This record gives sequence, structure tokens and C-alpha cells, in this order.
Amino acid sequence: DGGITQSPKYLFRKEGQNVTLSCEQNLNHDAMYWYRQDPGQGLRLIYYSQIVNDFQKGDIAEGYSVSREKKESFPLTVTSAQKNPTAFYLCASSLPGDYNEKLFFGSGTQLSVL
Amino acid sequence: GEDVEQSLFLSVREGDSSVINCTYTDSSSTYLYWYKQEPGAGLQLLTYIFSNMDMKQDQRLTVLLNKKDKHLSLRIADTQTGDSAIYFCAESGPGGGADGLTFGKGTHLIIQP
Repeated sequence: DGGITQSPKYLFRKEGQNVTLSCEQNLNHDAMYWYRQDPGQGLRLIYYSQIVNDFQKGDIAEGYSVSREKKESFPLTVTSAQKNPTAFYLCASSLPGDYNEKLFFGSGTQLSVL
Repeated sequence: GEDVEQSLFLSVREGDSSVINCTYTDSSSTYLYWYKQEPGAGLQLLTYIFSNMDMKQDQRLTVLLNKKDKHLSLRIADTQTGDSAIYFCAESGPGGGADGLTFGKGTHLIIQP
């Protein structure tokens, strides 16, 4: 079955530590996205990538980094510079070129600070 | 910047219709979307409407768009317990690309037995 897989489901970060969230898709989508969701808040875009080896900052990129070495994979690193990392992180993909870009989401990773 | 507003909670009785409302500010939106999020899960696209339409129906779902008032609604007929979720309204920018999507904060739909 095609889809987007995020791992792990739950992740804990110690102060000063970098952690990496995994996102893999087998939908053959060119574009991938990372969103942050806080309770009672909408989704906020962290980073997105329209094509391999290229990515763009979203609205809240500070304290995060990404890479896009393969079409299928778009890992997100939450660095120690992100002072309030506790949130639900959602990865998504879409097929650009279609004027109406519908997003397909993974099941999310809950990141908490120890 | 663009803004999308929704009520945070809606409570309905099982079998009744649910109407979830959304207002947005970007008059150049090309598409408007409704996504559903079940607990601990990602978002799932429910339906969408092109900005030059005023209504779209898909089984139990009816989307109404009042472009003049920048008001979007989602009506769920015969609401069932499986409809309990958070519903997000989202609007695209003029380019239609997903990188330009603005999401509302989501409406928690609570189903009373």
C-alpha cells in the first residue's frame, strides 16, 4: 500500500540534544512538507521541498533543519536551538504540477522534552 | 497575512446534521479544503471546493462557499460517532500550491449519544 510513514510515533528529547524525525513516502510524490501542530492551534509550516536536493523555509524554520537526498525521504532535525520543541509533528507530501495540490499526511510524531 | 478562523468546538447529537463554519481573509484563494484529524493521527483530506463554485456535495458532505463574505461551511448529514474528530479548514493562496496553504485552528466535533 502506498503511503507516508513517520517514525518514531513518540520521541523524547533531553535538553541540548538534537533529535531527528523520520518521514518516508512511497507515493512517488515530488513535494514533501513538515508541519508543527500545537494543541488548539492550526498547522504551521516548518520546511518544504519541491524536488530532491532542494528545500525552502516555511513560517517557523528557526531551530529546525532538513535534508532531501532521496525523493522518498525528508527527515527533520529538531536542534538544541529550538527552545520549545514539544509538539506534534506532521509530514506530508503532494504531487505538484497539479494546480490543486492535495496533501497526504503521515500519522505524526509526538515530541516531548524530558 | 492570510488568516483562517474557526470555532474550536461543536457538539451535536448522533443522527443530527453538523455544520462547521470557517471564515478566511485571502480574497485570492483558489481552493478551499476541509481536512479531518482523528485522535493521534495525521490529517485526511475530506473534500475541497474551487473558489468559483458555491456548493459541492459528496455523499453525506456538503460544502458551501460564500465568496463575497469569505465564508466556508461543511455540513455533515446524519452525524455518526465515527465523525468525531477535529476538522480543519484550509485555503490556498493564488498559486494553488500546498506551500501556500493556511490552516485554521480546527473545530472539535463532539457527538452526543
